[in-house]
Amino acid sequence: GENVEQHPSTLSVQEGDSAVIKCTYSDSASNYFPWYKQELGKRPQLIIDIRSNVGEKKDQRIAVTLNKTAKHFSLHITETQPEDSAVYFCAVLLSGGYNKLIFGAGTRLAVHP
Amino acid sequence: DGGITQSPKYLFRKEGQNVTLSCEQNLNHDAMYWYRQDPGQGLRLIYYSQIVNDFQKGDIAEGYSVSREKKESFPLTVTSAQKNPTAFYLCASSRGAAGELFFGEGSRLTVL
Repeated sequence: GENVEQHPSTLSVQEGDSAVIKCTYSDSASNYFPWYKQELGKRPQLIIDIRSNVGEKKDQRIAVTLNKTAKHFSLHITETQPEDSAVYFCAVLLSGGYNKLIFGAGTRLAVHP
Repeated sequence: DGGITQSPKYLFRKEGQNVTLSCEQNLNHDAMYWYRQDPGQGLRLIYYSQIVNDFQKGDIAEGYSVSREKKESFPLTVTSAQKNPTAFYLCASSRGAAGELFFGEGSRLTVL
């Protein structure tokens, strides 16, 4: 089945630094790639997504880049703040009419003041 | 106030007992999902439903069952056949397949 690998599993940065999380996938026909943020004790929430017809999308301090040839996509957070501390999940929409979203294992980001 | 509601928030079960987790949404979404969350393993798909009276198995469906008799409701039954049921269960819904998932607050099941 579809495999989504996410790295690193934990990431610690100083406030103001950048953070990058990368995901790779195996289904070359996948065309939708969202990122979810889950703060401690809360439900996951969508923070940004990208479709296969573009290579990059930005929303203020966060951006996602997609390399369809290499089958990987990355989340970039610039000027990190303590409130960015959370678990981040990438996901891939499986193609072929299954319409199911497969998640990576998650990255625990800690931003230290 | 639109949203997705799961109940109960915490549940304890003895081995050998079935338990049903409730998931209700008033967002008028067609698709609904059940995920299991374990530490270090992300969100794993148990079952999903794209439309009323239809559902498909996810990656870890063994020991679970669902129904989708109403658009608003997608209950999950954890049966005694599920070998390791202690986990955090998240229900979600979306307008379509390639759209934002809206999650409930989750149900934490502990088997004693």
